[in-house]
Amino acid sequence: GAVVSQHPSRVICKSGTSVKIECRSLDFQATTMFWYRQFPKQSLMLMATSNEGSKATYEQGVEKDKFLINHASLTLSTLTVTSAHPEDSSFYICSTDGSSYNEQFFGPGTRLTVL
Amino acid sequence: RKEVEQDPGPFNVPEGATVAFNCTYSNSASQSFFWYRQDCRKEPKLLMSVYSSGNEDGRFTAQLNRASQYISLLIRDSKLSDSATYLCVVNIRRGSARQLTFGSGTQLTVLP
Repeated sequence: GAVVSQHPSRVICKSGTSVKIECRSLDFQATTMFWYRQFPKQSLMLMATSNEGSKATYEQGVEKDKFLINHASLTLSTLTVTSAHPEDSSFYICSTDGSSYNEQFFGPGTRLTVL
Repeated sequence: RKEVEQDPGPFNVPEGATVAFNCTYSNSASQSFFWYRQDCRKEPKLLMSVYSSGNEDGRFTAQLNRASQYISLLIRDSKLSDSATYLCVVNIRRGSARQLTFGSGTQLTVLP
């Protein structure tokens, strides 16, 4: 399967700062990537679908001006959490749409803690 | 109502036990079905796809009942390494996109 990396793996920041998370598809050209968020003891919730060369599609309730997504190439999508607040502290995971109909390949996740 | 519902557990079973997890989904347009495994503070990893005909992979057996919108996972001869959260996942086509919807997971702890 495809290999997906995320950077950074962990970030701690002060309230009000912006944090950029990178998601890279290392051996697969991903026209579509997905960004999820997972709070403790809860399930993964899809935040947005990132499409290479076009605007991301956000799920209901996700602020597009707060969670900026850029998918500038077939191997890189970035999620920027702008003016982060403690309630944004979560586990952020990206995935690529696999070559087969069924599978998505997940990155290792980024754990964000906002103080 | 959640789109994918699972019993959160926790299930605490002794090594060697057989354990079964159940899941129901609400969207009849769901097209494909999976069980993922997620270890603590890690990303989910695909365990197996689920088909109406049922499928088996070693100690793991998955079953789908489309009429009842019900999915199951059976783990035989549990190992300590099976301890994890098991996520029931449904793939729904929305327009041109395919989206995975995750259940909240069932926590399994296999005890020595």
